Amino acid sequence: TQLLEQSPQFLSIQEGENLTVYCNSSSVFSSLQWYRQEPGEGPVLLVTVVTGGEVKKLKRLTFQFGDARKDSSLHITAAQTGDTGLYLCAGPLNAGGTSYGKLTFGQGTILTVHP
Amino acid sequence: DSGVTQTPKHLITATGQRVTLRCSPRSGDLSVYWYQQSLDQGLQFLIQYYNGEERAKGNILERFSAQQFPDLHSELNLSSLELGDSALYFCASSASPWGEQFFGPGTRLTVL
Repeated sequence: TQLLEQSPQFLSIQEGENLTVYCNSSSVFSSLQWYRQEPGEGPVLLVTVVTGGEVKKLKRLTFQFGDARKDSSLHITAAQTGDTGLYLCAGPLNAGGTSYGKLTFGQGTILTVHP
Repeated sequence: DSGVTQTPKHLITATGQRVTLRCSPRSGDLSVYWYQQSLDQGLQFLIQYYNGEERAKGNILERFSAQQFPDLHSELNLSSLELGDSALYFCASSASPWGEQFFGPGTRLTVL
């Protein structure tokens, strides 16, 4: 059983469309992170959200942390072919307020953006 | 390039064998983490070292062991390999035990 459930598992869209990826848990997390992984490479950290209700923007990507700190979402506006990849949410398994340390990951969302 | 290096990039071996995966952390990072990524389990935390000492353990099998050396590089040893051990193995490093983790490119292990 995954501590973090991501949906959808697969997303195939056309360039220019908008999309949202969800990361849900029944547990409260001190923070959640979003990573992007390309084939043949390791995950790369995109953002860390720490405060319930927090919204962070990274160019066309908008990340939100739920008020109860049990869920997060990633919204991409006007997707581009370069956004193609595996998107992973992750949270720390440590008790207390640390944002990192040993991480638990969601199963990931494979995003394919077609030209 | 994250600054974390892993060797080898690919490894093909047979069931019952033993292999060693190597990781060099980013310059200055004291903490090293090992993760396993497979299609059915996703990315799973295995073990963490900080400055040569084991700091945290995840779902690491008894057949697997790791260590971090005085020069801070780390090795993950996998023995009595089974078909199900085929996966991508990632190493990550961070400056502190709770710092942002930077992932290496991974080692793809295939057990035949």
